[in-house]
Amino acid sequence: EPEVTQTPSHQVTQMGQEVILRCVPISNHLYFYWYRQILGQKVEFLVSFYNNEISEKSEIFDDQFSVERPDGSNFTLKIRSTKLEDSAMYFCASSAGRKGALHFGNGTRLTVT
Amino acid sequence: AQKVTQAQTEISVVEKEDVTLDCVYETRDTTYYLFWYKQPPSGELVFLIRRNSFDEQNEISGRYSWNFQKSTSSFNFTITASQVVDSAVYFCALSDLSGGSNYKLTFGKGTLLTVNP
Repeated sequence: EPEVTQTPSHQVTQMGQEVILRCVPISNHLYFYWYRQILGQKVEFLVSFYNNEISEKSEIFDDQFSVERPDGSNFTLKIRSTKLEDSAMYFCASSAGRKGALHFGNGTRLTVT
Repeated sequence: AQKVTQAQTEISVVEKEDVTLDCVYETRDTTYYLFWYKQPPSGELVFLIRRNSFDEQNEISGRYSWNFQKSTSSFNFTITASQVVDSAVYFCALSDLSGGSNYKLTFGKGTLLTVNP
C-alpha cells in the first residue's frame, strides 16, 4: 500500500538554526499538509498546500515557517530560526481530496536544544 | 469554532474485554468529516476510519466498530475482544470542508488505551 514517507525520523538542532523537514506524499495525491504534535499533547494543523500554493494555515504557522514543493515528489517544511518551543513531532500528510482518506507519515521528531 | 472532546484521558482493560472510546464534537457546519486515528508507542498516526456527516450508518471492521450519532454529536469507537496490540493513544478528529477539499483536522486530546494481558 502506498504511504507517506518522512525524513529524517529524528532531528536535533540548536536554537536559532534553520531546519528542513522532508516528506514524500503518496504519488497521486494533490493535497499536502503539515501537522505537529508537542510531546503528550494533541495533534495540531499547521498548513495545507494545493496547486503549488498554501491553501490554508493556522496561527502557529507564522513567518518562521515556510513550505515548498521543490519537485514533483517532495514536500518540505522549513523553520527558519528554530526556538525551543518548536520541539515537537511533525507529521506530513496527503490526500486525494474529498475522495479519499488523509494519510499521515511516520513523523519527524524535532528536538531544539 | 470546531471542537473535539475525548473525555476519557486513559482507559485500562484486561485482554478480551470490550472497550468503547467516546468522542463528542462541535461544529457549525452541516458538511464535515469525522476520523479516528491510532497512535501506537512508536508514534506514527494510523488511519482507522473516515465518516462523512451524511452517512449515519454504523460501521464494523473486524473487531472495530463505530457508532455515529448526529443527534448527540458523537462518534464513538468500540473495540471488541481487545488485544494487547490495541494498546495505543486513539485520536478522534473533525474536518469541515470550508476550505474546499482541504482536510483541516481538529483533533481531540486523545485517549490512552492500555490493554493488559
